[in-house]
Amino acid sequence: EPEVTQTPSHQVTQMGQEVILRCVPISNHLYFYWYRQILGQKVEFLVSFYNNEISEKSEIFDDQFSVERPDGSNFTLKIRSTKLEDSAMYFCASSSRSTGNTIYFGEGSWLTVV
Amino acid sequence: KQEVTQIPAALSVPEGENLVLNCSFTDSAIYNLQWFRQDPGKGLTSLLLIQSSQREQTSGRLNASLDKSSGRSTLYIAASQPGDSATYLCAFEKSSGDKLTFGTGTRLAVRP
Repeated sequence: EPEVTQTPSHQVTQMGQEVILRCVPISNHLYFYWYRQILGQKVEFLVSFYNNEISEKSEIFDDQFSVERPDGSNFTLKIRSTKLEDSAMYFCASSSRSTGNTIYFGEGSWLTVV
Repeated sequence: KQEVTQIPAALSVPEGENLVLNCSFTDSAIYNLQWFRQDPGKGLTSLLLIQSSQREQTSGRLNASLDKSSGRSTLYIAASQPGDSATYLCAFEKSSGDKLTFGTGTRLAVRP
């Protein structure tokens, strides 16, 4: 069964450093998303991406965050200057109308900012 | 702003029991409602998706229902097994391709 893959599975970074989280969505999907989950809290929406542009972003997704689809397969989330409060599990997801809009999630990337 | 609440927050049951997890939402203008399973430290596995025109969906021992008028969805798990132990999340989207808004989750433990 096709799946969303994410790398790295875990990253530890120093405060102020740039981090890039990578995702390979399911190949025929058109909608791409990033979510995050701070330990013990709800899953929160960050950004959605469709037709090579951001379609919606949340209040969390400020100027420190950016997304890119550099080629036909990868979808990346960049955090320009990490803060302690960016420590969370970051999930990539994708969907296609042909699957009834079921949204498929990756296994997540654990980011720890120290 | 849409609020999604799941009750109970945690549940512990003996193996073999049938159980119901509840999801309540404040805005009935939903497009899809999806139930997920999350194992500790892991990603989200989609269990069932109910489109707004549907009333329920079934997959194996799982049955999910949707009542938009009352703002509720329920996930029914029949003959629970220890392997069902996980956190169950409901989430909805307001339109096609829209973001998901997640509930608070129900942490289920099934005792052997």
